Amino acid sequence: NAGVTQTPKFQVLKTGQSMTLQCAQDMNHNSMYWYRQDPGMGLRLIYYSASEGTTDKGEVPNGYNVSRLNKREFSLRLESAAPSQTSVYFCASSELDLGEQFFGPGTRLTVL
Amino acid sequence: KQEVTQIPAALSVPEGENLVLNCSFTDSAIYNLQWFRQDPGKGLTSLLLIQSSQREQTSGRLNASLDKSSGRSTLYIAASQPGDSATYLCAGGTGGFKTIFGAGTRLFVKA
Repeated sequence: NAGVTQTPKFQVLKTGQSMTLQCAQDMNHNSMYWYRQDPGMGLRLIYYSASEGTTDKGEVPNGYNVSRLNKREFSLRLESAAPSQTSVYFCASSELDLGEQFFGPGTRLTVL
Repeated sequence: KQEVTQIPAALSVPEGENLVLNCSFTDSAIYNLQWFRQDPGKGLTSLLLIQSSQREQTSGRLNASLDKSSGRSTLYIAASQPGDSATYLCAGGTGGFKTIFGAGTRLFVKA
């Protein structure tokens, strides 16, 4: 039972490059989330998926796209990376809205 | 707009001390309050979740309380240990799959 897993753990991109962050959970949760964490700030929600087949914008969605591939997997794509997207990205899941959230280990992304 | 504040930003205590971490929120319209622990370079580990109908939750040496009327939650850690050193985050669920996080309190327990 791995919980929430994320790949890659670290990534360095040049401005304008694209990449996809992968997330998977094995807890049979309905809802999944992508957050970013920046120094001195709380986590901010980028996108969420309430259930398989649905996705919605969070607080800071600009520059990102997401795909809920199936109930287990939720990916985050940066189409044209910018230095402002340098951050630590966390994926999380919960059984339902307002349920306990479980987090992955994070992806540390640097955009040069 | 809902905001979650954690004071102090950092705290250093000697081993064995009981301590309280504070979390305040500006809008009483939160539906749950979750406390997390984050070790350096790691993800968030869920410690306790309090639903709005509850006033407190306990797990081992940890006790979390929620007072919606005053806009406050506290995390009580009994008999602190060096292994408790980490950043502690509180987060308020506002419904609609939205959660507002505090910036955290960095705790250092000295042996």
